[in-house]
Amino acid sequence: AQSVTQPDIHITVSEGASLELRCNYSYGATPYLFWYVQSPGQGLQLLLKYFSGDTLVQGIKGFEAEFKRSQSSFNLRKPSVHWSDAAEYFCAVEGDGNNRKLIWGLGTSLAVNP
Amino acid sequence: GAGVSQTPSNKVTEKGKYVELRCDPISGHTALYWYRQSLGQGPEFLIYFQGTGAADDSGLPNDRFFAVRPEGSVSTLKIQRTERGDSAVYLCASSLTVGNEQFFGPGTRLTVL
Repeated sequence: AQSVTQPDIHITVSEGASLELRCNYSYGATPYLFWYVQSPGQGLQLLLKYFSGDTLVQGIKGFEAEFKRSQSSFNLRKPSVHWSDAAEYFCAVEGDGNNRKLIWGLGTSLAVNP
Repeated sequence: GAGVSQTPSNKVTEKGKYVELRCDPISGHTALYWYRQSLGQGPEFLIYFQGTGAADDSGLPNDRFFAVRPEGSVSTLKIQRTERGDSAVYLCASSLTVGNEQFFGPGTRLTVL
């Protein structure tokens, strides 16, 4: 069965510092991988996705993620964090079968210090 | 164009009551998903519609939960005899068709007292 692990429940960084949020997945075939952001009172917003091709994926808001099959990882990065990036971040993998449901990690809560 | 909308945004009910949660998908989107997000957890799949039919309801926790999408657009998630454990944020997402990007609504926060 597919699964997603986000090892870090909570991360705090200073504004302007770099960021890396970890995501590991379990999936038998080539996965479709996603990162979503959830701000308080807001819906989940897609940051970026990986389907195939280039393993370094660029997303919105200056985020990028790198797919590493050998490590079963899809870590999210940003070179310089802004205070507005404080939010909950979720990694997800698209499941098997026809419904393409998303299977989610538990999320990483990001706090940004001024 | 409008995104996915969900009503109500908040619902407080008493244990044992019946509730209905509504989802308005993006116009033209044929696929519709319901997820449930408990506090401190990631979303959990409940049910998926392709058009009017429930193509996969394997995530519904028990027979107290039911969802419909009679005209292939708006969907209603129905919960009978609510329990305190049903308290969560219920998320709806739609996509143009299965396999396309899922767009999420803001969710309905259900609190069962």
